[in-house]
Amino acid sequence: SQELEQSPQSLIVQEGKNLTINCTSSKTLYGLYWYKQKYGEGLIFLMMLQKGGEEKSHEKITAKLDEKKQQSSLHITASQPSHAGIYLCGADPPQGAQKLVFGQGTRLTINP
Amino acid sequence: SQTIHQWPATLVQPVGSPLSLECTVEGTSNPNLYWYRQAAGRGLQLLFYSVGIGQISSEVPQNLSASRPQDRQFILSSKKLLLSDSGFYLCATNALYGYTFGSGTRLTVV
Repeated sequence: SQELEQSPQSLIVQEGKNLTINCTSSKTLYGLYWYKQKYGEGLIFLMMLQKGGEEKSHEKITAKLDEKKQQSSLHITASQPSHAGIYLCGADPPQGAQKLVFGQGTRLTINP
Repeated sequence: SQTIHQWPATLVQPVGSPLSLECTVEGTSNPNLYWYRQAAGRGLQLLFYSVGIGQISSEVPQNLSASRPQDRQFILSSKKLLLSDSGFYLCATNALYGYTFGSGTRLTVV
């Protein structure tokens, strides 16, 4: 079965600093999703990547999928308190019904 | 666009009591539906998914069951709750550009 590993598990950064969260898959990724979660709330969809080398941006968040389609990174530029939360990567398994499997999440704290 | 309604938002139940969490979807027909659980400090674990009425696939053996009595209704149940059933439960459906999640139910078994 496909497994996703996120690093780091937690991250504390000063407001205004840049940061990167990584997601590594044990198998080739056919659809990689990034979500943000505030504690005790549902997931907010950020971006989806499918093609090797693909890169997408939304406001100050950029996500990339490597050429081999086994690793993705999420980069936040000039972090703000509103970026705080749990970031989760999810992936569709390569065969069978669509069902997202998730990494364990990265808890991001932004210090003012 | 798709909307998921999930209730209740929080629930405190004694050990051994039954459970019923409901999820309904608007804005789509014949959706795939999912139940996930998030234990404290951990990622999301897929519990059940359904591709149609009465069709349920279980991902992990557990004390819970799921049912889909109507096209846009998904129910998570238990006959007797265990302490280990505590967690944050999320209902989800998939759309053209990603998966949409409900706001979740925080279940505490005491």
